[in-house]
Amino acid sequence: QPVLTQSSSASASLGSSVTLTCTLSSGHSVYTIAWHQQQPGKAPRYLMKLEDSGIYTKGSGIPDRFSGSSSGADRHLTISNLQSEDEADYYCETWDSNTQVFGGGTKLTVL
Amino acid sequence: QLHLQESGPRLVKPSGTLSLTCTVSGGSVSSSSYYWGWIRLPPGKGLEWIGALYYTGTTDYNPSLKSRVSIWSDTSKNQFFLSMSSVTAADTAVYYCARRAVGAPFDHWGQGTLVTVSS
Repeated sequence: QPVLTQSSSASASLGSSVTLTCTLSSGHSVYTIAWHQQQPGKAPRYLMKLEDSGIYTKGSGIPDRFSGSSSGADRHLTISNLQSEDEADYYCETWDSNTQVFGGGTKLTVL
Repeated sequence: QLHLQESGPRLVKPSGTLSLTCTVSGGSVSSSSYYWGWIRLPPGKGLEWIGALYYTGTTDYNPSLKSRVSIWSDTSKNQFFLSMSSVTAADTAVYYCARRAVGAPFDHWGQGTLVTVSS
């Protein structure tokens, strides 16, 4: 089954942009993933589905500041014009025939 | 608007059984092409997929938990359930129920419920 690798932490300044990366394990580089945001004390929120082509489909109500892109086995989430409410944990998810897998999550700090 | 709400005991004794209910509104657990799943978030760790129930009654489980977990539904009450046996402190976590379509990610999540395993 696929394995997803994420950096444990990232930080960026208010109003700037940041890119988070989720890397698929060898042999799974064409898999589609999803990004989820989990703000402190809240349930995860589905942000988008991101294909290996770089095409992404966002969930309902997700701001334009959130975008996705792909490069090989890497799946990127870019957040522009960072807001304080973007400080959260970000998880990637993928799936196989009968299993779901989550990455370890990246804790984003907005400075 | 789909809404999922977890409920169940917040404290479970070691070696006991954890039992949770997810009540669904704004949708049906018998809707075709959807999976209804459970995910947990242990303190200080990342999300872990526990398993999912297809509308046909077919189930998939995380291999690391499969021997202790069962998921089923009651379509008359529009609920689905999680049972986890032989729990230890390592099973302490916030437990979420969620929905996903076939071949898709989880796109609707419940608010979550903290379950603590302690004597």
